[in-house]
Amino acid sequence: QQQVKQSPQSLIVQKGGISIINCAYENTAFDYFPWYQQFPGKGPALLIAIRPDVSEKKEGRFTISFNKSAKQFSLHIMDSQPGDSATYFCAAPTGTASKLTFGTGTRLQVTL
Amino acid sequence: NAGVTQTPKFQVLKTGQSMTLQCAQDMNHNSMYWYRQDPGMGLRLIYYSASEGTTDKGEVPNGYNVSRLNKREFSLRLESAAPSQTSVYFCASSEISRTYEQYFGPGTRLTVT
Repeated sequence: QQQVKQSPQSLIVQKGGISIINCAYENTAFDYFPWYQQFPGKGPALLIAIRPDVSEKKEGRFTISFNKSAKQFSLHIMDSQPGDSATYFCAAPTGTASKLTFGTGTRLQVTL
Repeated sequence: NAGVTQTPKFQVLKTGQSMTLQCAQDMNHNSMYWYRQDPGMGLRLIYYSASEGTTDKGEVPNGYNVSRLNKREFSLRLESAAPSQTSVYFCASSEISRTYEQYFGPGTRLTVT
């Protein structure tokens, strides 16, 4: 059974600062590791994903860093904006990569 | 393109009552999923269907049943609701080769009293 541990549970960052969220997984199938973003009252939406044979992926202000040997990956949000205030979930492919196991979520608040 | 739709949006049940949550997708995806979201617990997989005609248990299947009615529709049934099933339920879908890219519906907020 896959377990995904996500930290911190909540995070407050000033506008323009860097937000960092960490995840650790136990087992994996070879497939992408995604991060999802969820705004209040909405369903989660895919934000960015990384292949496990790549150490870093950047899309705009969002970067995933992946450490396969440590079984850890993290999301960095550069120049954080109030519009980034949301809950973020990491996930790891599970079984035969036919499903995902999600972390417990990080509630990010970006203050002015 | 509506994406993933769920009905109802809100529901209040009494302990022991039954109900079915409906989900439909118009993206021609093979795979569909049901999750529940509880504070501090993240998203936990209840059941999933990798393709039409197949269903498999996820992490928390007890107390639930599912039906993959056709390629578009995947329903979740609570036969005898319990207060522990109070939660927000999300349906999602994906292409079978892109499990990491799931499209979620808007959710159903269920309260069992």
